[in-house]
Amino acid sequence: AQKITQTQPGMFVQEKEAVTLDCTYDTSDPSYGLFWYKQPSSGEMIFLIYQGSYDQQNATEGRYSLNFQKARKSANLVISASQLGDSAMYFCAMREDNYGQNFVFGPGTRLSVLP
Amino acid sequence: NAGVTQTPKFRILKIGQSMTLQCAQDMNHNYMYWYRQDPGMGLKLIYYSVGAGITDKGEVPNGYNVSRSTTEDFPLRLELAAPSQTSVYFCASSYHVGGAGELFFGEGSRLTVL
Repeated sequence: AQKITQTQPGMFVQEKEAVTLDCTYDTSDPSYGLFWYKQPSSGEMIFLIYQGSYDQQNATEGRYSLNFQKARKSANLVISASQLGDSAMYFCAMREDNYGQNFVFGPGTRLSVLP
Repeated sequence: NAGVTQTPKFRILKIGQSMTLQCAQDMNHNYMYWYRQDPGMGLKLIYYSVGAGITDKGEVPNGYNVSRSTTEDFPLRLELAAPSQTSVYFCASSYHVGGAGELFFGEGSRLTVL
């Protein structure tokens, strides 16, 4: 079964606007971590933000925030004030802490920021 | 501090050949992972290791083998290369104690099997 689902293959956003990238996950492990990575066209993987399953508050890192809704098993990434350099592939990932430290990724969303 | 180093960066193989992708990290991370990324797709976990001497299969282990004799090194062996193994391979490591435990990635190795 798909553990990480990203239903938006591609998204467009106007420069300086905010955008939300969707991610839902499936696990029965009570302890897990959720991550977002950015992959620009150059190919490297860049860590953006982390949310632990026991964290009470939504994670924030600069212009990135994670909208964590545990009951709905969703972990959406919000990028505020989009910049042209935000154009990239974005991957949601999950690590299950009690199931062997398995670290799996979703299929990704390609974000294009328009000038 | 080099982080995660993968070699080679590019390789072309003929069908049936074998090769080893090398991965080394100098951050004393206990966890290490191998992923493959096909064009326009996400990352698929091949194998991972939670420490020296311990390895486990991921989603797509067929056609690959790994070993972890030291904390630093986690080589990926391709036996009898097939065109379906044409992909970009990423090695990653993490240290999951008291922090996020995010993955640190190498630059990737682009493998083409003809």
